[in-house]
Amino acid sequence: DAGVTQSPTHLIKTRGQQVTLRCSPKSGHDTVSWYQQALGQGPQFIFQYYEEEERQRGNFPDRFSGHQFPNYSSELNVNALLLGDSALYLCASSLDSPSYEQYFGPGTRLTVT
Amino acid sequence: GQSLEQPSEVTAVEGAIVQINCTYQTSGFYGLSWYQQHDGGAPTFLSYNALDGLEETGRFSSFLSRSDSYGYLLLQELQMKDSASYFCAVMGGTDKLIFGTGTRLQVFP
Repeated sequence: DAGVTQSPTHLIKTRGQQVTLRCSPKSGHDTVSWYQQALGQGPQFIFQYYEEEERQRGNFPDRFSGHQFPNYSSELNVNALLLGDSALYLCASSLDSPSYEQYFGPGTRLTVT
Repeated sequence: GQSLEQPSEVTAVEGAIVQINCTYQTSGFYGLSWYQQHDGGAPTFLSYNALDGLEETGRFSSFLSRSDSYGYLLLQELQMKDSASYFCAVMGGTDKLIFGTGTRLQVFP
C-alpha cells in the first residue's frame, strides 16, 4: 500500500519565479492538506482540498494556490517567490473530516535564492 | 486565534519516562493530536484525544483535560530511537489542524 508521495524532493528557485509541487495521497484517502514547515518550527497549515475544492485556508497570501485532481492528487503553486518561502513543504492526506489523523509525505525542500 | 505552547526541549536517559506538556487556546475544539518527527523525516501520527482522560498505545500514552485546555504525551521505557521532535496539534472548530512549535526530545544512553 503506497503512502503519500511528493515530488520533487528538493528544488532551488530564484526570487520572483514560480514553483509547482506535487502530491499523491495515500490509497483510499480523498482529502489533501498542505503545510509549510520552516526550520525548527511546527508545520503551518496552508490549505486543504476535498472533492477538488479548497475547503479550508490558513494565513497565507494569494501567491499560494492549489488544485486537486479527480484522482485526489494535488498541486501546490507558489508565485512570485520570496526568500521567506524557503521551507519544507509537506503534503498530508486523510479520510474526509475531521482530519485529525493525517498521513504525511516526505516533503519537498524548497530553497529560494 | 489559536495557539499552542510546548517546552522547546526535553532530555532523558534510556529506560526512563518523560512527559511532554501542551497547553492550547483555540476557538472551537474537536481534539488534541500528537505527532512525532525525526530529523529529515515526515511527521507521523501518534495519538488523538477527543475526550478527557488517558489514551494508551503501547509505550506511548496521551492525556487530555478539556476544562484546563491541557494535554500531555507520556513516553515510557525510552529508547534511543525515540529521539525526535514531538508536536501537539489542535483540531479546531474550522477543521484545520494547528501545530505547536514542537518539543525536541533527546534520549541519552
